[in-house]
Amino acid sequence: EVQLVESGGHLIQPGGSLRLSCAASGFIVRSTHMSWVRQAPGKGLEWVSVVYDTGRTYYADSVKGRFTISRDNSKNTLDLQMKSLRAEDTAVYYCARGLRYFDSWGLGTLVTVSS
Amino acid sequence: EIVLTQSPGTLSLSPGERATLSCRASQSVSSSYLAWYQQKPGQAPRLLMYGASSRAIGIPDRFSGSGSGTDFTLTISRVEPEDFAVYYCQQYGSSPPITFGPGTRVDIK
Repeated sequence: EVQLVESGGHLIQPGGSLRLSCAASGFIVRSTHMSWVRQAPGKGLEWVSVVYDTGRTYYADSVKGRFTISRDNSKNTLDLQMKSLRAEDTAVYYCARGLRYFDSWGLGTLVTVSS
Repeated sequence: EIVLTQSPGTLSLSPGERATLSCRASQSVSSSYLAWYQQKPGQAPRLLMYGASSRAIGIPDRFSGSGSGTDFTLTISRVEPEDFAVYYCQQYGSSPPITFGPGTRVDIK
């Protein structure tokens, strides 16, 4: 059974850094495309970043230069390193499997950026 | 960037009624790269349709998708109580590769 479990979200001050992790089971992360998608409180879904099975990465303009997506093949996890955090980065962050469409999602981890 | 617009913003229906949700793209989207999701409060999104018209595993056949080019539709033939939720369309393209529509809320009339 495919399962995704995110962790690492918490309250952080503006300008701070945070690393999210997504533990995968039931499949191999490095063998597929994986994304981070976020949802601000009461808002819609916003794609954040993708890492292709080839290792190529893409980012939304809103996070480019501040966020870095990566995989830890030894742990079968997907990570998101976030720096220079802003209030507008406050959201539930989901990891999701896929590229053309996302067939599996985690439950999400809440990141709150506030002083 | 391909912008997706969904209409209506909110659809108020009674159980048993037909729901028609629209997703319009700012430029042509390959049908292979258009998906629909359902999200209930406090839950992660769930994949409903991919490739515009293919149902995901476990999705009942009262859900159907259609469309091409810039206009896509998600139809629920007879809305069940568990279908009241927010529905998002999503496309995979070039730069950026992935965008979502703003969502359509289906609520109880």
